[in-house]
Amino acid sequence: EIVLTQSPATLSLSPGERATLSCRASQSVSTSFAWYQQKPGQAPRLLIYDASSRATGIPARFSGSGSGTDFTLTISSLEAEDFAVYYCQQRNSWPITFGGGTKVEIK
Amino acid sequence: EVQLLESGGGLVQPGGSLRLSCVVSGFTFSSYAMTWVRQAPGKGLEWVSSISSSGNANYADSVKGRFTISRDNSKNTLYLQMNSLRAEDTAIFYCAKPMTPNYFDFWGQGTLVTVSS
Repeated sequence: EIVLTQSPATLSLSPGERATLSCRASQSVSTSFAWYQQKPGQAPRLLIYDASSRATGIPARFSGSGSGTDFTLTISSLEAEDFAVYYCQQRNSWPITFGGGTKVEIK
Repeated sequence: EVQLLESGGGLVQPGGSLRLSCVVSGFTFSSYAMTWVRQAPGKGLEWVSSISSSGNANYADSVKGRFTISRDNSKNTLYLQMNSLRAEDTAIFYCAKPMTPNYFDFWGQGTLVTVSS
């Protein structure tokens, strides 16, 4: 099983600041990798797939990068609605696995 | 408009069974693999099971032998039969539709399963 480790667990930032979230895979997943956003009481929302492609309707302030074992989600300038929990996910091999999440909270 | 609506959750005793359903609309259900993902209270996401459009299934080790995923394309419905339930199965269960294989662009609202005596 491919283990995904997200860091940091919590990121405390102010609106307008840049957020950089990391996810490391225990073995290479190539670019078979996605990021999701989840707000309290809601289902996850797909943000990024194939490591760097934005899903439909996702604002340009969200960007993804990386390949192999190291991936980054960047939010260029945080808006109020971006404070949430973010999960990474790999689909390179079964079982599909998710990271433990990074909470982006208001400082 | 794509919609996924789960049902069937509830309170069940350890060792008991439940069947979850996910009724979908707004896309050609028979053409897509479908997936169940769960989330224990206050915890992260855990993939549970997926079924291909042709009916081939995959399961997480934590549920293998206890859960069975199935689909009825004539009813646009995905199922998850859960047997021998344990306290650690307590979670919100989401059904999810893939955009491309195993990237999930549409999710239901979830149904809560609580396993407790």
